[in-house]
Amino acid sequence: EPEVTQTPSHQVTQMGQEVILRCVPISNHLYFYWYRQILGQKVEFLVSFYNNEISEKSEIFDDQFSVERPDGSNFTLKIRSTKLEDSAMYFCASKGDQMYNSPLHFGNGTRLTVT
Amino acid sequence: GNSVTQMEGPVTLSEEAFLTINCTYTATGYPSLFWYVQYPGEGLQLLLKATKADDKGSNKGFEATYRKETTSFHLEKGSVQVSDSAVYFCALSDPIISGNTPLVFGKGTRLSVIA
Repeated sequence: EPEVTQTPSHQVTQMGQEVILRCVPISNHLYFYWYRQILGQKVEFLVSFYNNEISEKSEIFDDQFSVERPDGSNFTLKIRSTKLEDSAMYFCASKGDQMYNSPLHFGNGTRLTVT
Repeated sequence: GNSVTQMEGPVTLSEEAFLTINCTYTATGYPSLFWYVQYPGEGLQLLLKATKADDKGSNKGFEATYRKETTSFHLEKGSVQVSDSAVYFCALSDPIISGNTPLVFGKGTRLSVIA
């Protein structure tokens, strides 16, 4: 079964550094998402992306965050200047259609640790 | 706004015990409801879903019924196995927000099943 893949599985970075989290969505999917989960807290929506532009973003997704689909397969999340509170598990997801009741397919996540 | 509330974990059960994980929601519109499961070291996987009142989603012995009158979507399984040990997330998708509406998740409930 097709999968969403994320790399790296764990990223450690120093405060103030830039990080890029990478995702390869399922190949025929058109809608892409980033979520994050701070340890012990809810899975929170960050951003959705369709047709090479952001569809929606949450309050968390401020100017320090950006997303890009640099080629036909990758979908990246960049954090420009990391803060301690950015430490979390980041999940990429994709789905094939716009129906609100279609399930999202998630990757295994990237654990980001900011020191 | 939209929100999902799940029972606090962790939940520890013996094999073959009955499982209930409570989930209630608030939503602006008429949401679809989902249960996702995260096995150790893996991403979130759709377990089951229900899209309208009184619908029952089921998969792998798990069931949940969409109760509009109590705004609930409790997850149940009659006889749990050690392999069911995972974190379970209740989620909703509300079409009122937008066509490409993101999922709203609960905090997750960790289930540990001991032999």
